[in-house]
This record gives sequence, structure tokens and C-alpha cells, in this order.
Amino acid sequence: DTGVSQDPRHKITKRGQNVTFRCDPISEHNRLYWYRQTLGQGPEFLTYFQNEAQLEKSRLLSDRFSAERPKGSFSTLEIQRTEQGDSAMYLCASSKAGTSGSTTQYFGPGTRLLVL
Amino acid sequence: GEDVEQSLFLSVREGDSSVINCTYTDSSSTYLYWYKQEPGAGLQLLTYIFSNMDMKQDQRLTVLLNKKDKHLSLRIADTQTGDSAIYFCAESINDYKLSFGAGTTVTVRA
Repeated sequence: DTGVSQDPRHKITKRGQNVTFRCDPISEHNRLYWYRQTLGQGPEFLTYFQNEAQLEKSRLLSDRFSAERPKGSFSTLEIQRTEQGDSAMYLCASSKAGTSGSTTQYFGPGTRLLVL
Repeated sequence: GEDVEQSLFLSVREGDSSVINCTYTDSSSTYLYWYKQEPGAGLQLLTYIFSNMDMKQDQRLTVLLNKKDKHLSLRIADTQTGDSAIYFCAESINDYKLSFGAGTTVTVRA
């Protein structure tokens, strides 16, 4: 078991560009979550999937953000027309629903985004 | 994270015990969690407690839960320099998302 992986680990982009991040969950986990963490704060929930279905989106997820999990395995998070306020650490987590402690989420190393 | 409150900083001498406190607001939370984050890294799950428990011990870690006061604490025995990190308390909301506090920065001094 290799844990949750995320790619890239770091991304620097210019304002207005589009970026895409990838997350590979723990293999037997059917739930996948995206969080955003800004400096000095705890992670904030963005969205989550159960299998390939996106079941909840936070109001933090503006129209410029889109997440997919097409085959119920890896997920991508795309930010269009990036703004400086999008600079943050984007964290992915996974869990196994249907078991006790199904909200016990295991996090990846994160993708740190800097928008210039 | 506005529903979960933590003190921001804790300084402790190596070998002493650390106690990190947290208050939460959602009385229906079924699980409460402690995560550790080292600089530039993701979150590492340390331990969790089910809401019908008062205490859970796991090696050097002891979690105490006072459900009436919605107060959670994490005690780290024999604190080591490798325990220097940010510690986050989190409550589960609606069985799918976690609501985090702002984190407590623990500094271990020799």
C-alpha cells in the first residue's frame, strides 16, 4: 500500500493560466476528497466523490474549479483562469465508506500552488 | 474551521508531556481526529476517538473526550524533538467531511 499520492508536488503559474492536479487514492478506498489549506489555517473541505459520483461541493468551489473522478479511481482538480487568491496547498484524501470509521481520511502530501 | 477552536502555540521541554486542547461545536460528530503536519508536508493521521468513548490510549498518545463540554485533548508523553509540528483537531460532519481547527504549533526545546 503506497498511500495517497498527488502530482505535481509544486506548481508555479501566472495569473490567468489553467492548472490541473492529480490525486491517486489508496487502492481499495471508494471515497476521495479535496481540501484547500492556506497559510496558518487548517484544511477546508472543497468536494468529495464516492466512486465516480461527485456528491458534495463546498461554496468555496467557484465556477472556475472543476473536479472529476471518471473511473472511480484517480481524480483531477482543474482551476481555470487562476487568480492570486488561489495560491494554497491543495490536499487530497481518501477513505473507505461502508465501514466503521468511514470518515477516517488518509491524506496525500499535497500540491502547493503559487499564482504570480 | 471556524467551528473548531485550538490554542495556536505550545512550547514544551524535551521529555515532558504536551497537552493540546480543542473545542468543537457539532454534537452529532461521530468521530474526532488528531492529525500532525510537518513543514511542507501533508497531514498524518495520529489517532481518532469515537464519540461514545471518554478516553483512548495509543502508545505515547492519550486522547480525552468530554462530550458534554465538547472538549477534546491530546496528550503526548515523553515529548521528543521529532514531535515538533502543527497538530490539527478535526470533527466529522455528516459522515463525509472533516472540519479542522487552525492548528496548534508545538515547539519542543532541548
